[in-house]
Amino acid sequence: DAGITQSPRHKVTETGTPVTLRCHQTENHRYMYWYRQDPGHGLRLIHYSYGVKDTDKGEVSDGYSVSRSKTEDFLLTLESATSSQTSVYFCANSLQGNEAEAFFGQGTRLTVV
Amino acid sequence: GENVEQHPSTLSVQEGDSAVIKCTYSDSASNYFPWYKQELGKGPQLIIDIRSNVGEKKDQRIAVTLNKTAKHFSLHITETQPEDSAVYFCAASPNAGGTSYGKLTFGQGTILTVHP
Repeated sequence: DAGITQSPRHKVTETGTPVTLRCHQTENHRYMYWYRQDPGHGLRLIHYSYGVKDTDKGEVSDGYSVSRSKTEDFLLTLESATSSQTSVYFCANSLQGNEAEAFFGQGTRLTVV
Repeated sequence: GENVEQHPSTLSVQEGDSAVIKCTYSDSASNYFPWYKQELGKGPQLIIDIRSNVGEKKDQRIAVTLNKTAKHFSLHITETQPEDSAVYFCAASPNAGGTSYGKLTFGQGTILTVHP
C-alpha cells in the first residue's frame, strides 16, 4: 500500500462546516492524488500533486482545495461541506507518475448531514 | 477529457468459469490502461496493466487485451475462484503533451461474484 495512512477513517459532519482529510505517506513518492468514490461513478479525481506546493485540479474539484507543504502529507479541505460531498475519499500516490502503479489508502468515509 | 465506460456492472459466475469485463475509452491520447481490484473495506489495488504498444498481457489466471483502433480493452479471468469476488475497475491514463502526471480516469466498476 506504499505506506499510505488516511485520517480520519470515518467522519460525520454538518452542512456548512469545514472539513480536512489527511493523507500521509511514508514512501516519499512525488505524485499524490485525491479521488472520491460514488456508486455508479467509479473513482473520480478531485485534485493531484506533482511535488511540494505543486497541485492542480482534477475532474471534480469544485468545493475542494488541497495543500502539500511536505512530501509526505497531502491535505484535502472541504471549505463548506455539502450533502453532495458525502462519499468515500481515497488518497493515492505514485512514484513515477506516467504509466506507473498508483497505490491507494484505505479510504475515508465522509457523511455530511 | 477522457471518458471510460465499463460493462457489465455486475457479473456472477460459477467457480472455475471464466469472467470477462470490457471497457471503452474516448481519448486517443490515452496510452496506459491499468485494472484495479477492490475488496470490501479496502482501497483499490493494481492487478494488471497494459501499455498502448502491447496488444495482450498475461499474468497467471488474468489477462488483458487492448484494441487501440476500436478504443477498447478487456480483462479476462480464467478458472475463477471465490477469492476473485470483488469490485474491478478499469482505468485509462492520457499522455497528451508527454505527461499525464499519473492521472487516471476510471470506469464505473464491475461487481464480480464467484459462487463456490
